[in-house]
Amino acid sequence: DTAVSQTPKYLVTQMGNDKSIKCEQNLGHDTMYWYKQDSKKFLKIMFSYNNKELIINETVPNRFSPKSPDKAHLNLHINSLELGDSAVYFCASSLRTGVNEQFFGPGTRLTVL
Amino acid sequence: AQSVAQPEDQVNVAEGNPLTVKCTYSVSGNPYLFWYVQYPNRGLQFLLKYITGDNLVKGSYGFEAEFNKSQTSFHLKKPSALVSDSALYFCAVSVSGNTGKLIFGQGTTLQVKP
Repeated sequence: DTAVSQTPKYLVTQMGNDKSIKCEQNLGHDTMYWYKQDSKKFLKIMFSYNNKELIINETVPNRFSPKSPDKAHLNLHINSLELGDSAVYFCASSLRTGVNEQFFGPGTRLTVL
Repeated sequence: AQSVAQPEDQVNVAEGNPLTVKCTYSVSGNPYLFWYVQYPNRGLQFLLKYITGDNLVKGSYGFEAEFNKSQTSFHLKKPSALVSDSALYFCAVSVSGNTGKLIFGQGTTLQVKP
């Protein structure tokens, strides 16, 4: 069983479109995260939820909106996509907040044309 | 501000030789340090972490890391490299507070040649 799964794996879309990426974890963790990895492999946190509550909200354009329907799911919706949004987006989870190891999903490669 | 630096973009080592991937950090307060590995087209995998205690931390796949407070370093090491260790390695620091936020270094590509 995949511990942290993301769909879709690849997403190719036009500028201006709205898209969503879904993430699910079956580890029973309380905390989930979204990261963005750019073309130079630099990895930066975007958001984190703990038990459906937003706890980290980095300086991300408000076109990006996370939603956590329950603690096993954290989805990322992106409005009005721009070329600069092209990246690999990783979901991760950890048992709880604090200094716990994070388990990463396989990533979603978003390409905006 | 908290930060992590990995001074080498790439490290090349021959199979069977020892390897070191360097990491230095800058934090206010106690450092909580991590190493993750990313294989091509995959998500990151946790290798090891330092929270407190023994400065030598052992992790997965035979890797270990040495915490050096005076040099503010947390270098990743392995006594004998395998070709399968070739991957992208990230050092990270946990920011103070309990949010779980990680600040990552820029990554170091490890190339192990047969």
